[in-house]
Amino acid sequence: KQEVTQIPAALSVPEGENLVLNCSFTDSAIYNLQWFRQDPGKGLTSLLLIQSSQREQTSGRLNASLDKSSGRSTLYIAASQPGDSATYLCAVRRATGFQKLVFGTGTRLLVSP
Amino acid sequence: SAVISQKPSRDICQRGTSLTIQCQVDSQVTMMFWYRQQPGQSLTLIATANQGSEATYESGFVIDKFPISRPNLTFSTLTVSNMSPEDSSIYLCSVASSTRDYGYTFGSGTRLTVV
Repeated sequence: KQEVTQIPAALSVPEGENLVLNCSFTDSAIYNLQWFRQDPGKGLTSLLLIQSSQREQTSGRLNASLDKSSGRSTLYIAASQPGDSATYLCAVRRATGFQKLVFGTGTRLLVSP
Repeated sequence: SAVISQKPSRDICQRGTSLTIQCQVDSQVTMMFWYRQQPGQSLTLIATANQGSEATYESGFVIDKFPISRPNLTFSTLTVSNMSPEDSSIYLCSVASSTRDYGYTFGSGTRLTVV
């Protein structure tokens, strides 16, 4: 059974810092991995999607890497801003069978002005 | 990616009543999913909404409690029946991309409080 863990559970940083969020998964047989952002009480916004054959994806100040063999992904946020404050979730889709996403536990990020 | 409209965005309901949540997609999609997010928790898949057949439920979720309709390829509803305070959660619908990347898009969620 696939299990996804995110570290740290919560993170508080001053504005301008670069930061790294971690995601680990137990079964390396994944199709892809997706990073989402969730604002309090709201739905999910997709940030980055990495296919199993890719090593990284970039969008603006965000960079996500994937090491499938070790079961790890990182989300790097450069020059953090207060508007980045949210919960960040990673989710993996398995390589075969049912198209089910398994979500991590999330990292709650607070960026202070 | 698909654009999803989910209604209502929030509701406060009396215990014992039912609430139906609607999910409308701006394009035809094969796979639609319903998730629940309990307070302080991550997302848990409730069921997959199949067009033209019964929904497929995950372990711990039953049709009598969470009936789902999928009348066409752009629309689905989830009903939360005979509600109790333990049903207070955010409910989200999701679709899988029809392109090869198979990324997922989520609706804005329905925040349900049962009193």
